[in-house]
Amino acid sequence: AAGVIQSPRHLIKEKRETATLKCYPIPRHDTVYWYQQGPGQDPQFLISFYEKMQSDKGSIPDRFSAQQFSDYHSELNMSSLELGDSALYFCASSLRTVNTEAFFGQGTRLTVV
Amino acid sequence: AQSVTQLGSHVSVSEGALVLLRCNYSSSVPPYLFWYVQYPNQGLQLLLKYTSAATLVKGINGFEAEFKKSETSFHLTKPSAHMSDAAEYFCAVSDQGSQGNLIFGKGTKLSVKP
Repeated sequence: AAGVIQSPRHLIKEKRETATLKCYPIPRHDTVYWYQQGPGQDPQFLISFYEKMQSDKGSIPDRFSAQQFSDYHSELNMSSLELGDSALYFCASSLRTVNTEAFFGQGTRLTVV
Repeated sequence: AQSVTQLGSHVSVSEGALVLLRCNYSSSVPPYLFWYVQYPNQGLQLLLKYTSAATLVKGINGFEAEFKKSETSFHLTKPSAHMSDAAEYFCAVSDQGSQGNLIFGKGTKLSVKP
């Protein structure tokens, strides 16, 4: 069965650079969620989109933005990167209309140097 | 506001022994509760979930959890640990409106000794 695809799997950036993470949800899923998991930490909810509109907002820094496109894929844009942004970024998707659970991708490991 | 507390950041058991990972929740609304497993450098895989149906929930890999409202608990158990169960386990809560907007506990790392 198709799963949530995230790209890239690994990314190394320097401080003050920008990064774009991509997420391709399970086909027919209408909702995408982004989470940040710092080293040794629990995942923290950043933001979610339902039918291309922002639906919930968590602890997402102002330097980050995200959107969901017409094909339901989503991108997380991160600017002015800081060392503390180094983390595993997860995308998850679900079918909100029938309220399924969220299925997580493998994550993108971002390292800021 | 919702939250979950996982008691014990590290749990070590012998192969074949009972696994018990503790999770207590706090929620002002009827919660949905989840257990996810994470292997090193991997994503989160759903083990099982409680969505207000049966209080005893069976999941994958022989795990199960029981929702106890009186104790506000949702402990994860497995009768006999296997080496492949060594991983990090996260308890999570959501409201009934969105199962993807999750609040996670701090996680419990399970080690299995041969």
